[in-house]
Amino acid sequence: AQSVTQLGSHVSVSEGALVLLRCNYSSSVPPYLFWYVQYPNQGLQLLLKYTTGATLVKGINGFEAEFKKSETSFHLTKPSAHMSDAAEYFCAVSASGTYKYIFGTGTRLKVLA
Amino acid sequence: EAQVTQNPRYLITVTGKKLTVTCSQNMNHEYMSWYRQDPGLGLRQIYYSMNVEVTDKGDVPEGYKVSRKEKRNFPLILESPSPNQTSLYFCASSQSSGVNYGYTFGSGTRLTVV
Repeated sequence: AQSVTQLGSHVSVSEGALVLLRCNYSSSVPPYLFWYVQYPNQGLQLLLKYTTGATLVKGINGFEAEFKKSETSFHLTKPSAHMSDAAEYFCAVSASGTYKYIFGTGTRLKVLA
Repeated sequence: EAQVTQNPRYLITVTGKKLTVTCSQNMNHEYMSWYRQDPGLGLRQIYYSMNVEVTDKGDVPEGYKVSRKEKRNFPLILESPSPNQTSLYFCASSQSSGVNYGYTFGSGTRLTVV
């Protein structure tokens, strides 16, 4: 069975500061991991994904995430926040051979001028 | 343009009045799914479909029905809506039944049941 926990339902950063959104997962088989972004009044958009291979994954809009098996984590980072990054971010986990796809409860990112 | 199209975007209905939310994708994806999004609960899967005529329950299927007669369409049916089904609904599709490719989401349907 898979599960995912996002630490912090709300995160505020100053414009230009580092963005760090935390995601920890639980999976009995090798996981596939995803980050999605949701802007107001829109659907979710895939930011990046880890399936196999390189553990540091780069996505759109300057975001990246690192798969750390020993820590069961897949935290999302961006070196310098921009006002346009204000949105809700969801971590998700799936597993090979299953149809289950579990979302976290989301982290709302606020960027302060 | 590759997309998932949901209709309507907004819907207000009364308790017990049957309704259908349509979902269509133009990417020839095998896998489609319905989610509801509620504050503090994230997205919860209602039903999913691995291909035409193949559907299965997700985590919160009670009060909902689906069908998959064509590959591109996956409507969500509420036969007797109740106020606890007031929510934001998303349809999503993926090119792989193992969903390791990630989802393409529709823009959402905000449903209010009074």
